[in-house]
Amino acid sequence: EPEVTQTPSHQVTQMGQEVILRCVPISNHLYFYWYRQILGQKVEFLVSFYNNEISEKSEIFDDQFSVERPDGSNFTLKIRSTKLEDSAMYFCASSYWGLPLENEQFFGPGTRLTVL
Amino acid sequence: TQLLEQSPQFLSIQEGENLTVYCNSSSVFSSLQWYRQEPGEGPVLLVTVVTGGEVKKLKRLTFQFGDARKDSSLHITAAQPGDTGLYLCAATPLDDPSNTGKLIFGQGTTLQVKP
Repeated sequence: EPEVTQTPSHQVTQMGQEVILRCVPISNHLYFYWYRQILGQKVEFLVSFYNNEISEKSEIFDDQFSVERPDGSNFTLKIRSTKLEDSAMYFCASSYWGLPLENEQFFGPGTRLTVL
Repeated sequence: TQLLEQSPQFLSIQEGENLTVYCNSSSVFSSLQWYRQEPGEGPVLLVTVVTGGEVKKLKRLTFQFGDARKDSSLHITAAQPGDTGLYLCAATPLDDPSNTGKLIFGQGTTLQVKP
């Protein structure tokens, strides 16, 4: 069964460093998302991406964050200068429909980002 | 701000018991999903409900979407230790002006089923 994959599973970085989290969505999906989950808290929406551009971003997704789909299969999240409060699980998700009535999103296993 | 409130937050029961988890909001949603999440892993989709009053069954799990599409419930019959986990509801707001399909998540219900 097709699944969303993410690499790395765990990333440890120093504050101020850049990190790139990678995702391979399900191949025929058209809509892509990043969410994050701080330990013990809710899953929070970061950004949605469709047709090679951001369709919506949350207040969390400030200028330090960017997303890219460089080659038609990978979907990346870059954090330019990490802060301690960026430590969280980051989940990539994809869906085929992307419309409210048929919005089934499939999640990857996540990348645990630890900022020291 | 749309919020999804799940109750209870924690539930510990014996094997064989029945349980119901609730997901409530004051907002109307176009669709609602239930996910299960294991520690350190991503949410795994269990079901999507779309129509008000809709009931879906997945083996011993029964999901219902409220008539007004503001709430949902998950009922587990004869719970087993393998049902232990975190259950999350997530929904797409009906009045989402961006129409991008972002999901709003509840805080989750941690279920422990003891043998």
